[in-house]
Amino acid sequence: AQTVTQSQPEMSVQEAETVTLSCTYDTSESDYYLFWYKQPPSRQMILVIRQEAYKQQNATENRFSVNFQKAAKSFSLKISDSQLGDAAMYFCAYRSRNTGFQKLVFGTGTRLLVSP
Amino acid sequence: DVKVTQSSRYLVKRTGEKVFLECVQDMDHENMFWYRQDPGLGLRLIYFSYDVKMKEKGDIPEGYSVSREKKERFSLILESASTNQTSMYLCASSSGQYTDTQYFGPGTRLTVL
Repeated sequence: AQTVTQSQPEMSVQEAETVTLSCTYDTSESDYYLFWYKQPPSRQMILVIRQEAYKQQNATENRFSVNFQKAAKSFSLKISDSQLGDAAMYFCAYRSRNTGFQKLVFGTGTRLLVSP
Repeated sequence: DVKVTQSSRYLVKRTGEKVFLECVQDMDHENMFWYRQDPGLGLRLIYFSYDVKMKEKGDIPEGYSVSREKKERFSLILESASTNQTSMYLCASSSGQYTDTQYFGPGTRLTVL
């Protein structure tokens, strides 16, 4: 069974600084997707960024980028120029490409605090 | 925009009560999911459905059942609520395509006394 590990329960960053959230996963599969989801306080969970395992190029969405190391099974999220609105719980998630039911396996989350 | 709504944001029930949590999506998505979110445990899949009247157990189905009579609606049922089912419940939906994203509802915080 696949597992996803987020070893940082909480991280802090100052506005305009850069922060990296860590995620490692365990799988025997070679074809899969990885995701970072953001859950702001009392608001809905939204997708931040997605990476297909067969793509070597790291995904980027504006200030958010990932460092995908397939051999090391590592998938970290870098947030550049942090903003107060980035404060949230961030969840790393894995989904196999071999099943059709889109089951996500989540990590335990990292709470990101952003200070002025 | 995809919209996933859940019937209640907060719910308080007593032990032994039958509890219904409702989820509705407006994007004609084939797949719907129920997760439970607990601090330090992340999100865990309870049940999912890939079509009307179809359901599959997730990782923690014990004590729960589901119903999907219409494509847009997916209900989570606690037959006899217990205190250890106090949690945040999140519903999600996605299309049948392999690459599609899951869209989440706002969540229902259930307290069982």
